Amino acid sequence: DQQVKQNSPSLSVQEGRISILNCDYTNSMFDYFLWYKKYPAEGPTFLISISSIKDKNEDGRFTVFLNKSAKHLSLHIVPSQPGDSAVYFCAASVHGYGGATNKLIFGTGTLLAVQP
Amino acid sequence: ETGVTQSPTHLIKTRGQQVTLRCSSQSGHNTVSWYQQALGQGPQFIFQYYREEENGRGNFPPRFSGLQFPNYSSELNVNALELDDSALYLCASSLPLGEQYFGPGTRLTVT
Repeated sequence: DQQVKQNSPSLSVQEGRISILNCDYTNSMFDYFLWYKKYPAEGPTFLISISSIKDKNEDGRFTVFLNKSAKHLSLHIVPSQPGDSAVYFCAASVHGYGGATNKLIFGTGTLLAVQP
Repeated sequence: ETGVTQSPTHLIKTRGQQVTLRCSSQSGHNTVSWYQQALGQGPQFIFQYYREEENGRGNFPPRFSGLQFPNYSSELNVNALELDDSALYLCASSLPLGEQYFGPGTRLTVT
């Protein structure tokens, strides 16, 4: 049962344009969502997160949008740069309290290629 | 500030053997989580350690076990290795409920 889905295995975008990566989830208990970027031979790097009480969070060129009714989130990268080429993972968790487990449930990833 | 480190980088084992993977958490982090990433998949949660106690476990059999030490470093042990255990094993450290910072991973190949 894949609770977090990234239906696009790959995406190709021209430098300077917008990259939009999509993610769907099925578990309505998820209340915290994250995006990670992964280069080959490196571990995932945290990019940006959003709590379920918000519908948008921005950090520089990266913006995450959350649509709870549709159980959908997206990551927008504007403008896209060749250095953004990597695998992007969407992840979700149920935030607990006081040391409780915040295990991350990951999607299968989307390979973004930004063409110069 | 030192990031999350893992050792070894690569490992080749034979089916039925046992393996120990190691992780040093980022300075100040007292929570360590382990994930398994099979080829073409996203990372899957194995378990988490908080203050030397297991603090949640994913859908992995008991032959996957771990330890956390007083300095918050951690080990992942896998007994009776199977071919399907071949994967990238990722360690992440954090403060409780904080953002998880990942190490580079250990690539395990079981033949």
